[in-house]
Parts: sequence; C-alpha cells; structure tokens
Amino acid sequence: ETGVTQTPRHLVMGMTNKKSLKCEQHLGHNAMYWYKQSAKKPLELMFVYNFKEQTENNSVPSRFSPECPNSSHLFLHLHTLQPEDSALYLCASSQDGRLGMNTEAFFGQGTRLTVV
Amino acid sequence: AQKVTQAQTEISVVEKEDVTLDCVYETRDTTYYLFWYKQPPSGELVFLIRRNSFDEQNEISGRYSWNFQKSTSSFNFTITASQVVDSAVYFCALSEAGLRNNDMRFGAGTRLTVKP
Repeated sequence: ETGVTQTPRHLVMGMTNKKSLKCEQHLGHNAMYWYKQSAKKPLELMFVYNFKEQTENNSVPSRFSPECPNSSHLFLHLHTLQPEDSALYLCASSQDGRLGMNTEAFFGQGTRLTVV
Repeated sequence: AQKVTQAQTEISVVEKEDVTLDCVYETRDTTYYLFWYKQPPSGELVFLIRRNSFDEQNEISGRYSWNFQKSTSSFNFTITASQVVDSAVYFCALSEAGLRNNDMRFGAGTRLTVKP
C-alpha cells in the first residue's frame, strides 16, 4: 500500500457537475497539501492543512473547496469548473507543515482531471 | 519572492552517459531548503533529496550526486551512468524558513529521456 493514495486516478466532468477528489495518507503525518500541475505552469500549491486546520489558501477560486476531516484524509470538492481547470491534482503529506526542517513532502499519484 | 529556474526543458541521452540537471534559485532568506523530486510516468513525485542552506557539502547516493553552491545559487543534480529507468521529469524546489515554509516553490521541471 502506497503512503499517499488518491482517488479517482482519472476524472472527466462537465462544467455544471459537482465532484470530489479524495486523498488518504498512511504515514502518520499531520500536514496535507493540494497541488495543481498544469501543462504550462509549474506545480502550484493550492491548500495546506496542518493538524486539520487550514493554514494556507493560495488565492484559489472558490469553485475549489477543500475539506480535512482528520489528519489522514483530505478532500477537494469541485463545482462549476472551467476547462482551464483541467490538470493533474496532486495530494501530498508531511510530518508537519514545516517543510525542510527535517521534513519533506510525500506525494500521491494524482488525479488527472478533465473538464469538458 | 522565491523562485526556481530549471533552464533545461528536455534532455535526451543514451544509456550509460552522465547527465547533469541544472537548478538555479532566488531567495532573500538566509535559511532555506532545497529539494529534488522525480516524477515518473505514473505521476507521483518521488522525493530524492533535501538540503538546507547551511550545509553546502555535496552528496552522493549511488549513481546520483548533488552539487550545492550558494555562491552561484545553484543546486545541480548529476546522474552517472544513466539508465532507461531514469527517464522521468525532475523537479527542483525551494522552501523558505519562516511564515511560509509550508510552501515549496517548484521549477518547471526537466524531462529526461534515456535511450537504450
């Protein structure tokens, strides 16, 4: 079983749909992240949760709504998305939210999202 | 603002060749952390190395080596005797200590293709 698991792996949705991405980590970490990887942009941090509290919202549009019910699970709720939101959405976790101080992030395999 | 530049978009080598992936960073902080990740076709980012700004000692791990030079703000990655399995996209990332050290800023990545 991989450390960080994301489901689904692929998702196609219409602009009026509502869907959710799920991330689960089995590493005992306390911080979880959502990143967006688009074809023409570097990886972008979207949200950070540390001990279930949101500590970072990187100016993400409200059509993306994160939820962190506990330290092991992270969701990204999607509604009324645009075609330009099509991307690979990567979840990550780390021991705590202080990357670099003896801590690195571990990533899942991502959800490939296509908005039609 | 922190910034990471990977000037090489794509590199193609033949198996057993050595290859160096360049990474140049910008930061105003005196304490910061540098990372390298590998992204194979399966999608997940695989952690390779973490380095803090106070440790300029170069590191070798098997066929992988890293050259950190603060004087040129570079953190280059060399693969010796490359193999087909090394084919992937490689990302360099920077995290600053302080309030925003939960944010890794990634470079655009270098796609490495190793041909048999």
